[in-house]
Amino acid sequence: GAGVSQSPSNKVTEKGKDVELRCDPISGHTALYWYRQSLGQGLEFLIYFQGNSAPDKSGLPSDRFSAERTGGSVSTLTIQRTQQEDSAVYLCASSQNRGTNEKLFFGSGTQLSVL
Amino acid sequence: GDSVTQMEGPVTLSEEAFLTINCTYTATGYPSLFWYVQYPGEGLQLLLKATKADDKGSNKGFEATYRKETTSFHLEKGSVQVSDSAVYFCALSDPGTGGFKTIFGAGTRLFVKA
Repeated sequence: GAGVSQSPSNKVTEKGKDVELRCDPISGHTALYWYRQSLGQGLEFLIYFQGNSAPDKSGLPSDRFSAERTGGSVSTLTIQRTQQEDSAVYLCASSQNRGTNEKLFFGSGTQLSVL
Repeated sequence: GDSVTQMEGPVTLSEEAFLTINCTYTATGYPSLFWYVQYPGEGLQLLLKATKADDKGSNKGFEATYRKETTSFHLEKGSVQVSDSAVYFCALSDPGTGGFKTIFGAGTRLFVKA
């Protein structure tokens, strides 16, 4: 596609429910990243994919968070048993290759609100 | 571990004023440095980057110079416009950490008044 697409753009859920957030990266981009942006905070790294594998899961806040990527393309971030502190904007980014000089292309994010 | 520290906002300036947003970093290796910008209602986008010491990144009138001796990458613009109102994020990507994780600062919100 023309850019990184995330869905839904907004999600309101009740505490304790599970949610799935989807990211469709730019076609041909091998690297995919998930970040979390809380109100007044910077971007918190969650997980990185190179192809379908996730060599770095160190940023996932707890075992309630998981992510997968299939076909080297679409990725899903799943949050189980959501808590109020999970409320944030979840951003997805992709880059053509893995590398320190690579420019990240960001989606518009999913605003998650846990009531 | 690696980290990025940038000045807290918000920063409020009048149109045509000079802008500086400070950014310092800590890294184990020799990182690449970036400034990303988030305009209201839009996603983050790369503004400029520098990949080695003394490099200057520039775009849209903004500049930042990679200063290894002071571990800084301050963003500057000589004359801001209302359309520059946005949140600016300093970031690094460090080969010492495998180069696959870009670390961001907390962001600095800029308001430019007409």
